[in-house]
Amino acid sequence: QVQLQESGPGLVKPSETLSLTCTVSGGSVSSGTYYWSWIRQPPGKGLEWIGYIYYSGSTNYNPSLKSRVTISVDTSKNQFSLKLSSVTAADTAVYYCARSYIVATINVWGKGTTVTVSS
Amino acid sequence: DIQMTQSPSSLSASVGDRVTITCRASQSISSYLNWYQQKPGKAPKLLISDASSLQSGVPSRFSGSGSGADSTLTISSLQPEDFATYYCQQSYSTPYTFGQGTKLEIK
Repeated sequence: QVQLQESGPGLVKPSETLSLTCTVSGGSVSSGTYYWSWIRQPPGKGLEWIGYIYYSGSTNYNPSLKSRVTISVDTSKNQFSLKLSSVTAADTAVYYCARSYIVATINVWGKGTTVTVSS
Repeated sequence: DIQMTQSPSSLSASVGDRVTITCRASQSISSYLNWYQQKPGKAPKLLISDASSLQSGVPSRFSGSGSGADSTLTISSLQPEDFATYYCQQSYSTPYTFGQGTKLEIK
């Protein structure tokens, strides 16, 4: 059974770049069946789709974040990653990595990792 | 962006009650509508995809219906483990937006 695990710093300074990695176990990021996604949830608020990457490297980002987001995949490590630049306090959230099929239907989620943006 | 609006935002109900949550899109999304359940401190869980397809392992008391702009999630007989927050999500077009959530609380 596929499992996803987020990792990365829990505290990022304003204006710096948030970097998270998702390690996939029990499955392969090279599978052509799935899309590998990032979603976030600010404290006490709802869910926001950040974007996805396909094993081929093609990506699709939320336009509201597109200028600051990069999602990449490392098939040799069976991981995919999120970079969000020029962060502010508004980027404080729980960040989830996830596997979706049919592009946006998310059927496997990581446990989530809390990232706080503060000096 | 397609806006997703859920109603109600919160709901108090008792074990055994039948509950319906509505999700309205700002435009037609056909049946490209998913429902998720989220418990405190946990990741969301996919309950229903494509408006009415129950995911494997999800109890049959959950059902979904709708097409176009309006969809509903129904829980036929609430169980204690169903008290959670429920989100709809459109998978029709990017960005794949979520509703604001419906918090289902014990009466």
